[in-house]
Amino acid sequence: QSVLTQPPSASGTPGQRVTISCSGSSSNIGTNYVHWYQQLPGTAPKLLIYKNNQRPSGVPDRFSGSKSGTSASLAISGLRSEDGATYYCAAWDDSLNAWGSLIGWVFGGGTKLTVL
Amino acid sequence: EVQLVESGGGLVQPGRSLRLSCAASGLTFDDYAMHWVRQAPGKGLEWVSGINWNSGSIEYADSVRGRFTISRDNAKNSLSLQMNSLRPEDTALYYCAKGGQSTLNGWFDAWGQGTPVTVSS
Repeated sequence: QSVLTQPPSASGTPGQRVTISCSGSSSNIGTNYVHWYQQLPGTAPKLLIYKNNQRPSGVPDRFSGSKSGTSASLAISGLRSEDGATYYCAAWDDSLNAWGSLIGWVFGGGTKLTVL
Repeated sequence: EVQLVESGGGLVQPGRSLRLSCAASGLTFDDYAMHWVRQAPGKGLEWVSGINWNSGSIEYADSVRGRFTISRDNAKNSLSLQMNSLRPEDTALYYCAKGGQSTLNGWFDAWGQGTPVTVSS
């Protein structure tokens, strides 16, 4: 059970706009930045969006991120076949576990995007 | 270009130990925090441990705390993960990831290709 909640799957046709949600709590998304990673099949994850809505160099502006309260979203416009991948959200969690240790980084369970 | 190359993975029996290494190049290594992130077969990403730029701040996931130890050698641009008392549930592909800043709470802006660890008798 992941700390951040994402839908397990999403789909769209070429050219469409799709959004992927990520829900958390006050100790993670509510107080810290959200980051998004793209993992193409059989490859390592790649940073897609950082600090809620910033794109690293080389990431097309078709990808955008937003955050409101304890939720965040990744939007992909002009969907292309090569966007078929699994997308993960992540955030730093400031809360402590039952033994007083910091939780640290938490991920969503991932959303597999299928381009129909 | 940042390159992260992991090594040290393999097949190990439950209860035994393994040490992973990550060689970094193309960056000023001691400017950034470093992390280990793992992915069990067919599963999602799980953060394992992180270490800040000068080893002054280290954190672990609950699932590995007390069994794994992260360390770094800034003179050698290297990151390590000593894994003791391994369990079958530690079976995963282990990624070395570069932090986006010197502290632990920066994003992961570069990843290695991963080294596989299988814990089985």
